[in-house]
Formats: sequence, structure tokens, C-alpha cells
Amino acid sequence: GAGVSQSPRYKVAKRGQDVALRCDPISGHVSLFWYQQALGQGPEFLTYFQNEAQLDKSGLPSDRFFAERPEGSVSTLKIQRTQQEDSAVYLCASSPREGGTYGYTFGSGTRLTVV
Amino acid sequence: GQNIDQPTEMTATEGAIVQINCTYQTSGFNGLFWYQQHAGEAPTFLSYNVLDGLEEKGRFSSFLSRSKGYSYLLLKELQMKDSASYLCAVRIPPGGSYIPTFGRGTSLIFHP
Repeated sequence: GAGVSQSPRYKVAKRGQDVALRCDPISGHVSLFWYQQALGQGPEFLTYFQNEAQLDKSGLPSDRFFAERPEGSVSTLKIQRTQQEDSAVYLCASSPREGGTYGYTFGSGTRLTVV
Repeated sequence: GQNIDQPTEMTATEGAIVQINCTYQTSGFNGLFWYQQHAGEAPTFLSYNVLDGLEEKGRFSSFLSRSKGYSYLLLKELQMKDSASYLCAVRIPPGGSYIPTFGRGTSLIFHP
């Protein structure tokens, strides 16, 4: 596609509910990143994929967070047993490959509110 | 840990010039990015610096000094549409992965 697409745009979850957030990166982009952005803060790194391989998951805040990219394109971020502190905007970004002088293209994000 | 600092907020007036500073202390360095983010929208790429010096792109310029761990974004001829958050991000290559690490962002607010 022309850009990075994320769905849903908004998600309201009851505390304890599981949620799944989807990211469709730009076609052919090798690298895919997930970030969490709290209100008034910069994006915080969660995890990174190169094709289908999850090369870095050091930013995932707990074992309730899980991400996958099984075929090296679409990625899903799953949060189990959501808690109020999980409320944030979850951003996905992709880039053609590692390194390089190009920027990273972000999706519009999924705003998760846990009530 | 990685440390990227930028002011929380800056004020400006239409037509003016503003300089947003970013300092960083990181375990590695493979380039510095500036992004613009309007409220409720995705960050959009503005500039990339990997070598020392000034990169100019229209009304926006970005400067880097690697020895000082310092960058700035210069915005000229400010317009109301420039009201946004400006994010500084350093790409850090630990173990071969190139991961952009962001500062908290600087909100540019206009005074009438």
C-alpha cells in the first residue's frame, strides 16, 4: 500500500480483556517497529522485526505483550489481560531495510483505552 | 541507558525563526532524525543527519555535532501549520539492529 496502515484506529477494552492490534507495513519493507506513546511523551520502543524474525523485544514491558510477523509482512501486537497503564497510542513504523539514510514511515496508530 | 533530551515546550510567533535543541548520550550512534507530529497524527519524517554539519531543506534545517552529542532543528518563516510536536530520534546500533530511540518531543506553541 501507499502507507503504513494500522487497525483499529481506536480500541476501548475492559481491564483484563485481551486485545490484538494490526499493522500493515509498506509493501516490501523489511524492517518493522512497534512503539508505545503515552500522552505528551515521545514514542517508546517496544519491539523490532526484520522480515519474520523478531530481532529485538527488549522494550516489551511485560510478558503480557506479544508481537508476531509470521510471513514477514503484516504484524500483530497482542496484549493479554489489559491493565489501565496499557492505555496509550501504539504506533507501527516500517523502513525498506536496516540502516540507510531514509526515514521510517509511521502509521497513524491505535489509541487503546483500558477502562 | 540511553538519554535524549529536548525542551518540553517552546513558544513562537508567525513569521519568526525558532531553534529546537536536542542533546543525546547514547551507547552508539548511527544517525539522528527529526520528526514532526501533529496532535493525534503519525510522526512524519523531516530530516536525517549522520555527518557533522547543517542540512537545509526549505524552511527547515537540521544541524549535527557528533563530538558534542548535539543537534538542532531550525524552523524559519513560521506558519500556524507548524504548530506541532517535534521529535528528536537517535538511531542506535546495538548488536546489529538499528533502532530509533526518541526523545519526549518539543511542543511548538504559537502566541497570537
